[in-house]
Amino acid sequence: EVELVESGGGLVQPGGSLRLSCAASGFSVSSHYMSWVRQAPGKGLEWVSLINSAGQTGHADSVKGRFTISRDNSENTLYLQMNSLRIEDTAVYYCARSSGGNPRERHLQRWGQGTLVTVSS
Amino acid sequence: EVVLTQSPGTLSLSPGERATLSCRASQSVSSSYLAWYQQRPGQAPRLLIYGASIRATGIPDRFSASGSGTDFTLTISRLEPEDFAVYYCQHLGDSPPWTFGQGTKVEV
Repeated sequence: EVELVESGGGLVQPGGSLRLSCAASGFSVSSHYMSWVRQAPGKGLEWVSLINSAGQTGHADSVKGRFTISRDNSENTLYLQMNSLRIEDTAVYYCARSSGGNPRERHLQRWGQGTLVTVSS
Repeated sequence: EVVLTQSPGTLSLSPGERATLSCRASQSVSSSYLAWYQQRPGQAPRLLIYGASIRATGIPDRFSASGSGTDFTLTISRLEPEDFAVYYCQHLGDSPPWTFGQGTKVEV
């Protein structure tokens, strides 16, 4: 069965760093587009980052240069390294798997339950 | 960057009624890369529709969607109690970002 389990969230001070993990089971992270999506309290969804099956990455302008998405194929885990955190990065961060690795399969088919990141002094 | 504008912001309806949600793109997009999601309170989003009109696995047929170019629509034919939620459209184009609309809340 496909499962995504996020971890690594918590309270961090502005300017600090945090690494989120998304442990996948039931499929290989290397064969699908994988994304991070966040949701600030009471707000809508914001796409953050993606990595495709070829290892190419993309980031939203709001996090570019501060966040890095990566994966460990041997651990079957997706990561989001978040540096220089700002108060406005406070959100629930979801890991999501696309339907497949082809362009027409980019839609986010499976989601984890999310992990809360709070940036506050 | 494609900007998606959803309307209305809130839709107030009763169970059994029909809901029509709109998603308008700032530029023409491929239907292949337009998706809709449902998010119930306290839950992760759930994929409803992909390719602008294809229901995801397990989605009831009271959900339908259509559109092309810049205008896309999600319709719920007869609202069930579990359908009161927030709905988002998303464009997943060749170049990031994969933007979401701001969402439409369907409330009682």
